[in-house]
Amino acid sequence: DGGITQSPKYLFRKEGQNVTLSCEQNLNHDAMYWYRQDPGQGLRLIYYSQIVNDFQKGDIAEGYSVSREKKESFPLTVTSAQKNPTAFYLCASRPGHATNEKLFFGSGTQLSVL
Amino acid sequence: QKEVEQDPGPLSVPEGAIVSLNCTYSNSAFQYFMWYRQYSRKGPELLMYTYSSGNKEDGRFTAQVDKSSKYISLFIRDSQPSDSATYLCAMSSNQAGTALIFGKGTTLSVSS
Repeated sequence: DGGITQSPKYLFRKEGQNVTLSCEQNLNHDAMYWYRQDPGQGLRLIYYSQIVNDFQKGDIAEGYSVSREKKESFPLTVTSAQKNPTAFYLCASRPGHATNEKLFFGSGTQLSVL
Repeated sequence: QKEVEQDPGPLSVPEGAIVSLNCTYSNSAFQYFMWYRQYSRKGPELLMYTYSSGNKEDGRFTAQVDKSSKYISLFIRDSQPSDSATYLCAMSSNQAGTALIFGKGTTLSVSS
């Protein structure tokens, strides 16, 4: 089945540690996105990539980094510089970067601080 | 003023009720309007997609867009306990490279 796979489902970070969230899609989509969701805050855009080897900062990129070495993969690293990382992280993709294209989501990763 | 405003609720209704969920927006350039449904600790799933003004119906769900008032609505008829979820509105303009702008979501609870 085609879809977006996020792993792990739950992740715990220690103080000063970097952690990486995985996102893989087999939909052959060009554009991929990372959102952060906090209770009562809706979805906030962290980073997005419209093509391999290229990505742009979203509204809340500080403390995060990404790479896009392959079309199907868009991992997100939460660095130690992100002081409040506890949140639900959602990866999404869409076929291209035209604004009328529908966005599809993975099942999310819950990150918590130990 | 935020670009997209959505009342977070929570909204509680009995089974069989008609539910109305709403969003307002400030950017007149928005052309594409979507509603996503999100169950607890799951990824959002696309429920309805509308271009420009007008109505769209899909089973028990109807999406309405009123661009003159900058107001969109999602109606759920004969609501079921399985409709209990958070509903997120989202919208975008024609401007190339722009991402979807989401509302904060409305939490709906349908009791049997």
